[in-house]
Amino acid sequence: QVQVVQSGAEVKKPGASVKISCKASGYPFSSHWIHWVRQAPGQGLEWMGVIKPTGDNRVLAQKFQGRVIMTTDMSASAAYMEMSGLRSDDTAVYYCARDTSQGGARPYWWFDPWGQGTLVTVSS
Amino acid sequence: SSELTQAPAVSVALGQTVKITCQGDSLRSCYASWYQQKPGQAPVLVVYGENNRPSGIPARFSASSSGNTASLTITGTQAEDEADYYCNSRDFSANLWVFGGGTKLTVL
Repeated sequence: QVQVVQSGAEVKKPGASVKISCKASGYPFSSHWIHWVRQAPGQGLEWMGVIKPTGDNRVLAQKFQGRVIMTTDMSASAAYMEMSGLRSDDTAVYYCARDTSQGGARPYWWFDPWGQGTLVTVSS
Repeated sequence: SSELTQAPAVSVALGQTVKITCQGDSLRSCYASWYQQKPGQAPVLVVYGENNRPSGIPARFSASSSGNTASLTITGTQAEDEADYYCNSRDFSANLWVFGGGTKLTVL
């Protein structure tokens, strides 16, 4: 079945970096972009960015520019999100999700499936 | 602007119909997608586009859209529908995607 599976939970100290993986299976990895979304404890979903499976095109929300690097490895059917300069307010569950889109006069996009989430805890 | 506005909370009696709305300028040019999230779980796509449901999502979930407002309607709400619901769309002008703040649905 179509799925994306993420790496496990991480505990990091302030100022450190973390790299999360998102491995896709059940579909051609080259056919769908991958989004990254995070959710702080008790908060809503926050879109972070999206990357083309070839890795040569990406869009990153402004607040993460300079701190987040998104990459892919097509040979592994995997996407990665690396965040540096971690702060306590980066403590959150990080999700990856497969993108699909439909064009036309009124286009639309949807995220499906989602990974199981990776909890990143930043604490001294 | 790159914002989608949702009511923080909505309640509905068991078996009744509830509409959850999402407002934003980006919705004038593209359809929304809707996600259900239960505590401790990853979000799940429930409706997308004009009115499409993934396989496995019950027919009681439907979508509609008018102007800058997208709506998710649950007809004959079940106890298992109690969850947080998020809308999402793309903002062309800013070249990014955005989520609404989420609506917590309580089934009475």
